[in-house]
Amino acid sequence: DAGVIQSPRHEVTEMGQEVTLRCKPISGHDYLFWYRQTMMRGLELLIYFNNNVPIDDSGMPEDRFSAKMPNASFSTLKIQPSEPRDSAVYFCASSPLAGGWNEQFFGPGTRLTVL
Amino acid sequence: SQQGEEDPQALSIQEGENATMNCSYKTSINNLQWYRQNSGRGLVHLILIRSNEREKHSGRLRVTLDTSKKSSSLLITASRAADTASYFCATDEVDDMRFGAGTRLTVKP
Repeated sequence: DAGVIQSPRHEVTEMGQEVTLRCKPISGHDYLFWYRQTMMRGLELLIYFNNNVPIDDSGMPEDRFSAKMPNASFSTLKIQPSEPRDSAVYFCASSPLAGGWNEQFFGPGTRLTVL
Repeated sequence: SQQGEEDPQALSIQEGENATMNCSYKTSINNLQWYRQNSGRGLVHLILIRSNEREKHSGRLRVTLDTSKKSSSLLITASRAADTASYFCATDEVDDMRFGAGTRLTVKP
């Protein structure tokens, strides 16, 4: 298996632009997580899905952030409009079982820079 | 907000030495996990210890858990230069998983 796939790996955009990050989880994994990592705040859980359904989005910082999972093999995290403080590395992770929060498999991340 | 807090924030040792990192947390947990992150890469799961376990081994890794003190330690024995990375503990809550700020380990050859 190729593992969790994220695209793009790097994104540089200007303030106000829409940004879409993409994730393909490991086949057969029922759970998908979106995290954000910054030096100041560390690794933060933004939202997670179970069987394509959003379960907890309390970590999504603002209404500018939205996430979808139209099918079991694809998810997007969208920021509209983007702001410089959104600059971070965004990770997607998947897990076959989140009950008790077991092992998660992380993608390589997308490094977002908002100018 | 972060649940687990690692200590120390940074650790520098010579190859062959042992490295010990600690993690403290605040609430009751079902399990605690340790992850490693190489620079510019995603996190890689190392080991999971459940709340009813006190110690677990995996290769050169030894993890202990003291639920009465709400703390865990990760010991890497006979360290290698390739162990240089950041190490994070992660704890589960009811509907969340919280990562600590991490310990940056540097192993000098």
